[in-house]
Amino acid sequence: KNEVEQSPQNLTAQEGEFITINCSYSVGISALHWLQQHPGGGIVSLFMLSSGKKKHGRLIATINIQEKHSSLHITASHPRDSAVYICAVKKGADGLTFGKGTHLIIQP
Amino acid sequence: KAGVTQTPRYLIKTRGQQVTLSCSPISGHRSVSWYQQTPGQGLQFLFEYFSETQRNKGNFPGRFSGRQFSNSRSEMNVSTLELGDSALYLCASSFSLTYEQYFGPGTRLTVT
Repeated sequence: KNEVEQSPQNLTAQEGEFITINCSYSVGISALHWLQQHPGGGIVSLFMLSSGKKKHGRLIATINIQEKHSSLHITASHPRDSAVYICAVKKGADGLTFGKGTHLIIQP
Repeated sequence: KAGVTQTPRYLIKTRGQQVTLSCSPISGHRSVSWYQQTPGQGLQFLFEYFSETQRNKGNFPGRFSGRQFSNSRSEMNVSTLELGDSALYLCASSFSLTYEQYFGPGTRLTVT
């Protein structure tokens, strides 16, 4: 079993829909990252969380440390949000451990 | 402020050769991490450097090595290349070990 599990693996939605991507992890962590990767490979860090909730524009990330679970929400989704969203966790001083990613397609 | 830069962007090598990849972090960032991304294994952690010291190493063979210079620039080296080393190699910089990471565009290595 992977230390970091993401769901769904693939998601296709219509423009304007509310999107939720989930991430569960099995170990104690010091921080959780949400990353966005567009075709071509560039990765952008969206959020780094250790507790609670963060919001940036139409993106919201939450984490529940007790349940070892995090969610990434996209409100009013747009075709430019189409990308792979990757959850990654950091355990203490260890390097990041990544989930396999969620492929999101937003259709106009 | 300039972002993280990686050189070269694309590289084709032959099995058995060695390769050196370079990463220049954002000015003021002292931590550099390296990652390998393949279709089969996804993203995997290679190394993490802070102030010229390797702080962490992922589960990769000794053919993979790296270093960080006094100006925080970092290089990684892969010796005796294998076909399975074909991947996108990404570096990321951060102000310190527990801060948000900023990723470079990656170096796409193809081993033939």
